[in-house]
Amino acid sequence: EADIYQTPRYLVIGTGKKITLECSQTMGHDKMYWYQQDPGMELHLIHYSYGVNSTEKGDLSSESTVSRIRTEHFPLTLESARPSHTSQYLCASSESVGVGTGELFFGEGSRLTVL
Amino acid sequence: LAKTTQPISMDSYEGQEVNITCSHNNIATNDYITWYQQFPSQGPRFIIQGYKTKVTNEVASLFIPADRKSSTLSLPRVSLSDTAVYYCLVGGEYSGGYQKVTFGTGTKLQVIP
Repeated sequence: EADIYQTPRYLVIGTGKKITLECSQTMGHDKMYWYQQDPGMELHLIHYSYGVNSTEKGDLSSESTVSRIRTEHFPLTLESARPSHTSQYLCASSESVGVGTGELFFGEGSRLTVL
Repeated sequence: LAKTTQPISMDSYEGQEVNITCSHNNIATNDYITWYQQFPSQGPRFIIQGYKTKVTNEVASLFIPADRKSSTLSLPRVSLSDTAVYYCLVGGEYSGGYQKVTFGTGTKLQVIP
């Protein structure tokens, strides 16, 4: 059973608000990821981290920022939310493996609606 | 980046075997093939991974021909709960890991009673 948690599951906020989506995993995985997915659409990688103090931007440009101060914690922040940020945000983690890609463990997602 | 192509959607009746084929013509030597399942409003879940020939686990089988330019996910005797989107991914640690892997649009499987 995957041990990766996201909060909040659902969030409705007004334009201009600052929000932080929390993601924590208890598996000790060094790699963590944030994906963005609109209903019925592809998952797009927006941020990833190889480990503590490592963060990189993914393929899809995002105005959000991330931090990785602790292995288990990978929060995503939007300084000023806009309606265009309305989407589902999925956090995932994986461990480094010698071959293959390892298994990605996903949280249940945070569905953000910006009014 | 190995690009994958899979059918957009498929329908199947309950109890039937379902085969979903994925094309990946430019797969690299060190790349693995991985399949994920996603239910609405949830994150994807790992199903199976393979490199060549055949891999089987408790939920699915993965068939990979010798040239590795395609792969087929086989779901035996599907039930209504197998209705989901199935993603084929190609990549590996030596190709840059998941930061270099795209999920694509996946195949939406609808199981009919």
